[in-house]
Amino acid sequence: GAGVSQSPSNKVTEKGKDVELRCDPISGHTALYWYRQSLGQGLEFLIYFQGNSAPDKSGLPSDRFSAERTGGSVSTLTIQRTQQEDSAVYLCASSSPPGTSVKETQYFGPGTRLLVL
Amino acid sequence: DAKTTQPTSMDCAEGRAANLPCNHSTISGNEYVYWYRQIHSQGPQYIIHGLKNNETNEMASLIITEDRKSSTLILPHATLRDTAVYYCIVRVAGNDYKLSFGAGTTVTVRA
Repeated sequence: GAGVSQSPSNKVTEKGKDVELRCDPISGHTALYWYRQSLGQGLEFLIYFQGNSAPDKSGLPSDRFSAERTGGSVSTLTIQRTQQEDSAVYLCASSSPPGTSVKETQYFGPGTRLLVL
Repeated sequence: DAKTTQPTSMDCAEGRAANLPCNHSTISGNEYVYWYRQIHSQGPQYIIHGLKNNETNEMASLIITEDRKSSTLILPHATLRDTAVYYCIVRVAGNDYKLSFGAGTTVTVRA
């Protein structure tokens, strides 16, 4: 079946501009996660959506970052007034709801490579 | 994740088995061992996970020691496409959903 897809695959923007990154999770997965990975750095959790529950936004680095998940499927991560330190690979993952199955596993998309000039 | 330690890098010959070790001496009883890998310029890819029994799937085998303090990921017949960074993590299946990878092991498969 289709995996997690993300768009665009690459994005170059100028400092101060807003960007929107999109994620299409695996069909049937109700849990969706955003992470980012800076060059040579580990995985950094950003936000988690599960069904109609309030999202866990504890990983968002600043109020310039926000995310939505409409209709329980597609999600958009928005970065306002981008800064150079926002340059990173933004990864989306989806899974079955945590806790509902011992075999729940997060499946990642290919990522969006963001470069802020 | 500070709960696991892995070698920084290892080389493997194409067609041979690659055995990747991971130490997790402080693992608790309800934590699973998960393995992911990340091929250059791609997102992380789930490989396998287990609790205490050995596991095998189409990608790899996972051998967990009886005391669960260490494990080995086995790629039975490594190919050039298996060149990647391999991450071993321990996590509680369920509410521990914030994945965090350490430096992992950079595996280079050579022809």
